[in-house]
Amino acid sequence: SAVISQKPSRDICQRGTSLTIQCQVDSQVTMMFWYRQQPGQSLTLIATANQGSEATYESGFVIDKFPISRPNLTFSTLTVSNMSPEDSSIYLCSVEEGGMGTEAFFGQGTRLTVV
Amino acid sequence: SQQGEEDPQALSIQEGENATMNCSYKTSINNLQWYRQNSGRGLVHLILIRSNEREKHSGRLRVTLDTSKKSSSLLITASRAADTASYFCATAPTGGFKTIFGAGTRLFVKA
Repeated sequence: SAVISQKPSRDICQRGTSLTIQCQVDSQVTMMFWYRQQPGQSLTLIATANQGSEATYESGFVIDKFPISRPNLTFSTLTVSNMSPEDSSIYLCSVEEGGMGTEAFFGQGTRLTVV
Repeated sequence: SQQGEEDPQALSIQEGENATMNCSYKTSINNLQWYRQNSGRGLVHLILIRSNEREKHSGRLRVTLDTSKKSSSLLITASRAADTASYFCATAPTGGFKTIFGAGTRLFVKA
């Protein structure tokens, strides 16, 4: 099973600034997923990150706001840009080692508060 | 639209009691999974049930799947205070490209 190290675990940021979240996986995986979880809500997929290509964003999420890097098969970053209080959420990365729709492994999450 | 809808939204029980959570979905699926989340941390995979399976057990967990009703249930037997968490169902739609998470049930087990 994949082990994912996600950091930071939490941060408090000023509005208008940006935060980059990192995820490191202990094995090579084709796809990594970035989710947002607003307070008391379920997970919403932001984008799917493939190595060597542009990330695929879900409806309602754009690259300018959530740029993603995927430089190799074990690492990805998500940046939350020009933050506002509405961006306060938990952000999670995950991988599905067995392919789409199989058991997902998650990082510990990043709890972001924008003030 | 969200694939999985869960009920109840919140459940409070005494330690030792059983907890049952339900999940309904809208389209055909390859499999359905249940996850647990403690205090807004990362999700932990509990169990996966394939579309051709009807029931699956893992320790104190029992999952059922009724594809004709497009529903699943998670039963936790002899609950413990440490079971307090949020539980999410997640579906892998047939022909789909992403796993879709339900709204979750917040379980509180009182010692």
